[in-house]
Amino acid sequence: TQLLEQSPQFLSIQEGENLTVYCNSSSVFSSLQWYRQEPGEGPVLLVTVVTGGEVKKLKRLTFQFGDARKDSSLHITAAQPGDTGLYLCAGAVNSGYALNFGKGTSLLVTP
Amino acid sequence: DTAVSQTPKYLVTQMGNDKSIKCEQNLGHDTMYWYKQDSKKFLKIMFSYNNKELIINETVPNRFSPKSPDKAHLNLHINSLELGDSAVYFCASSQVRGGDTQYFGPGTRLTVL
Repeated sequence: TQLLEQSPQFLSIQEGENLTVYCNSSSVFSSLQWYRQEPGEGPVLLVTVVTGGEVKKLKRLTFQFGDARKDSSLHITAAQPGDTGLYLCAGAVNSGYALNFGKGTSLLVTP
Repeated sequence: DTAVSQTPKYLVTQMGNDKSIKCEQNLGHDTMYWYKQDSKKFLKIMFSYNNKELIINETVPNRFSPKSPDKAHLNLHINSLELGDSAVYFCASSQVRGGDTQYFGPGTRLTVL
């Protein structure tokens, strides 16, 4: 099982601040996904990155896949209370039939 | 329409009982999964089925028995429930493989007393 380490585990910030969440592994992944989970619900996909060095933007969220496809980051600009939730990175290996999830970063954005 | 649905949403039961959780997806996906999320929010794969066939069984005790009557359904039966089985169980589906987008159900919170 390929392990994905996420940091920080918890993050509490004020509205308007920027933040970065990291997802690291010693394994190479064919793709890496970021999900967001709100209380009482299942995770929902935010983005999939496939190519080493790839950068994807989703409004105020910027996702980057490391050149070696072993790590990824999620940067949120000007965080809003609606960004509050559990952010999970997940990696798929070639021909994999499941995802390996990181332990998540729990984000709280206060007004 | 709900893409991936699970029933029940909450399940409270005594140790030693047998219980089932049902999952259905209406997305036409070939692959379905069961994940367990513990109290620390760690989401871990339990089983993966592709076209009704078991693909992955991640060292899950044999008290857990998944059943896929057709590719739209993947049910989870748990025998002789233990305190450590308390968790949130998520069903998910994807087009083909794990690397495809996975669509999760709302989860079933199982509490074993």
